[in-house]
Amino acid sequence: DAGVTQSPTHLIKTRGQQVTLRCSPKSGHDTVSWYQQALGQGPQFIFQYYEEEERQRGNFPDRFSGHQFPNYSSELNVNALLLGDSALYLCASSLFGLSGAFTDTQYFGPGTRLTVL
Amino acid sequence: QKEVEQNSGPLSVPEGAIASLNCTYSDRGSQSFFWYRQYSGKSPELIMFIYSNGDKEDGRFTAQLNKASQYVSLLIRDSQPSDSATYLCAVANSGGSNYKLTFGKGTLLTVNP
Repeated sequence: DAGVTQSPTHLIKTRGQQVTLRCSPKSGHDTVSWYQQALGQGPQFIFQYYEEEERQRGNFPDRFSGHQFPNYSSELNVNALLLGDSALYLCASSLFGLSGAFTDTQYFGPGTRLTVL
Repeated sequence: QKEVEQNSGPLSVPEGAIASLNCTYSDRGSQSFFWYRQYSGKSPELIMFIYSNGDKEDGRFTAQLNKASQYVSLLIRDSQPSDSATYLCAVANSGGSNYKLTFGKGTLLTVNP
């Protein structure tokens, strides 16, 4: 049973650059959520994708955008990087239940550590 | 106002003792509650979830939920040095058919041999 995978593991960028992070959900899951975790903080919700659409968004600027592909994998794009974007970026997958409601349980991938210099 | 609050710790307990981790939340509409364990430099790992008031046990772990008091806790019995990690409390805020997890900052637990 394949778990959530993310790439790359680590990334170093400079201010103003753009970055793309990738995520493949756990086998059987169809929903992907992205979180940002700054050092010493809990993860902060960025957005969630289901059926290739952004379903819900947290308090992040438009510099943060995403995409979901037909195979349920997802990308997180961040433009015009700032020093404050340095963080661990986590992808979590879950399943939209047959009852028509999202099942709550989310499983996290290993994360991508982004450093902005 | 913070939505999910946890004592940041560190909480230090001797090996074999019971570790008690606490969490309060502000949204009375919250329906689902989760505990994640996060080792340093790693991603969060789901330990338990609880939906109903009362206790839920899984091995050495017991989650307790009191919706009236907006309080959720995690007890770890027979604590082991391998339990040393940051424990994150997360709350699912359901709005229609969508939801997100809101996390506390986490409590650092150290189990001393």
